[in-house]
Amino acid sequence: DSGVTQTPKHLITATGQRVTLRCSPRSGDLSVYWYQQSLDQGLQFLIQYYNGEERAKGNILERFSAQQFPDLHSELNLSSLELGDSALYFCASSIQGDSPLHFGNGTRLTVT
Amino acid sequence: GQNIDQPTEMTATEGAIVQINCTYQTSGFNGLFWYQQHAGEAPTFLSYNVLDGLEEKGRFSSFLSRSKGYSYLLLKELQMKDSASYLCAVIGFQKLVFGTGTRLLVSP
Repeated sequence: DSGVTQTPKHLITATGQRVTLRCSPRSGDLSVYWYQQSLDQGLQFLIQYYNGEERAKGNILERFSAQQFPDLHSELNLSSLELGDSALYFCASSIQGDSPLHFGNGTRLTVT
Repeated sequence: GQNIDQPTEMTATEGAIVQINCTYQTSGFNGLFWYQQHAGEAPTFLSYNVLDGLEEKGRFSSFLSRSKGYSYLLLKELQMKDSASYLCAVIGFQKLVFGTGTRLLVSP
């Protein structure tokens, strides 16, 4: 158990809808990362937060947004969903930017 | 930008040794990670190299040459449970970018 909690585990929704994925980092970790992994694809970096502030941005679509709250949990919001957004979404946390990341078990999103 | 290359797939036999290579080109470098990922599961941390040289951790070792932009992960005494994807990731300018991973198949 990595100590990183992601909810929900599975999510099935229709095109055009909006969903929110939630992540609680390991106790003591200030950095939160979001990654997308499509079937048989690599991990695509979306965005990183450190202690509530956006630190780095990857190939995150404009339809996607995220935030990290004062209690350090983070939410990833996906809107106007398309079939191609179906993927595993992983959250990871670390103590600071250069420390090893610890991954949650992911949220499997299916858009129908 | 960052570019990370790994072989797509490798096969090996139980009990053998396998070396998975990773080459990278990055605009900033603060370290290189190796992760193991079983299908549909979360990646798990294996090793972290910041300085040149070999880091050994049980059956797994990882090597880094910063001047060559090169790393490898060495797995010894392979077991069936080592069948998984192995991800090389480079951190630079606060971004941790992953390669597409090497799928390792261990056969009896």
